[in-house]
Amino acid sequence: GAGVSQSPSNKVTEKGKDVELRCDPISGHTALYWYRQRLGQGLEFLIYFQGNSAPDKSGLPSDRFSAERTGGSVSTLTIQRTQQEDSAVYLCASSTGHPNTEAFFGQGTRLTVV
Amino acid sequence: AQKVTQAQTEISVVEKEDVTLDCVYETRDTTYYLFWYKQPPSGELVFLIRRNSFDEQNEISGRYSWNFQKSTSSFNFTITASQVVDSAVYFCALSDTGRRALTFGSGTRLQVQP
Repeated sequence: GAGVSQSPSNKVTEKGKDVELRCDPISGHTALYWYRQRLGQGLEFLIYFQGNSAPDKSGLPSDRFSAERTGGSVSTLTIQRTQQEDSAVYLCASSTGHPNTEAFFGQGTRLTVV
Repeated sequence: AQKVTQAQTEISVVEKEDVTLDCVYETRDTTYYLFWYKQPPSGELVFLIRRNSFDEQNEISGRYSWNFQKSTSSFNFTITASQVVDSAVYFCALSDTGRRALTFGSGTRLQVQP
């Protein structure tokens, strides 16, 4: 597609439920990133995929968070047993993979846990 | 370890004033890349500029200019003759060969009053 696409754009879930957030990167981009942005805060790194390399999961805040990237393209971020502190905008970005290139961001998924 | 510090949380100026947004970074790598992104009220992050560690030449793009100084580990961003449309949150970010995923600063919220 023309840009990074994320779905859903908004998600309201009950505490304790699992949620899946989807990201479609720009076609041909080998690097894919997930970030979390709490209200009024900066971007918190979650996970980074680069080609067939093992993902950098160092930013995942707990074992309730996981992500996968199938076929080197679409990625799904899963949050199990959601808690109220998980409420945030989850941003996905993709790039060509070289550290010198900019990342292109999607519009984000706003997750609200009630 | 990487770190990006944007000490200015919020800046308010009147239209046509010049404003400088500060960014200080830390990295152990000699090869690294610096970025500025803009996040308008709509929420989507917009790439503004990138710089690599070997290129200290300052850059001007219209009303925007960037001052990269390795000696002080700073990569400051100046908007000349600010406009209301410049109102946004501005993020500075860093990547290096150790951590390719972008590390973001906490952002500076710029409010330009008419």
